[in-house]
Amino acid sequence: QKEVEQNSGPLSVPEGAIASLNCTYSDRGSQSFFWYRQYSGKSPELIMFIYSNGDKEDGRFTAQLNKASQYVSLLIRDSQPSDSATYLCAVSNPGNTGKLIFGQGTTLQVKP
Amino acid sequence: DGGITQSPKYLFRKEGQNVTLSCEQNLNHDAMYWYRQDPGQGLRLIYYSQIVNDFQKGDIAEGYSVSREKKESFPLTVTSAQKNPTAFYLCASSNWGGTGELFFGEGSRLTVL
Repeated sequence: QKEVEQNSGPLSVPEGAIASLNCTYSDRGSQSFFWYRQYSGKSPELIMFIYSNGDKEDGRFTAQLNKASQYVSLLIRDSQPSDSATYLCAVSNPGNTGKLIFGQGTTLQVKP
Repeated sequence: DGGITQSPKYLFRKEGQNVTLSCEQNLNHDAMYWYRQDPGQGLRLIYYSQIVNDFQKGDIAEGYSVSREKKESFPLTVTSAQKNPTAFYLCASSNWGGTGELFFGEGSRLTVL
């Protein structure tokens, strides 16, 4: 079992719809969870981070964390073509080394 | 502006050659990391360093070497022992006591001819 798993997609949604991206992780000791966006050929950029169970909202983005189910998700409301990218889920290593373990990423396509 | 600078952006190497990728940060971060990304894949950790003159192997360290002589610099050498070096290499840094977020450089794309 991979430490951090994402569906590689592509996930295709129409413009204006809600895109839902999911991620599961294997280590119950993980404390911090991150969503990065990566455009083709570019480096990842942070979208959101979440530490506590529940929802965290930032503009059109909502991160959801359920530690009991070892599940973290990212919702993108009012999806725009400019949201088309690969979204990487990352989980902190419980040993407090600062390392992040990344999933393989989900490719999102927002169609006009 | 503060940030992480990687060079070169693109690099071509013949088989059997060692190459060194540069990573410099002016964010005053203690920790630095090297990740490798293959097409359609996530990021895999090569090496990381939490303080000057100390570094640890990541998940795929074989065929790579690093040094951390200065806080600002963390160069990565891809040696001839790395059997499949063609990839996108990303350097990152983070600040202890912060959010745990990794800040990334723009990446270096290495192609072996």
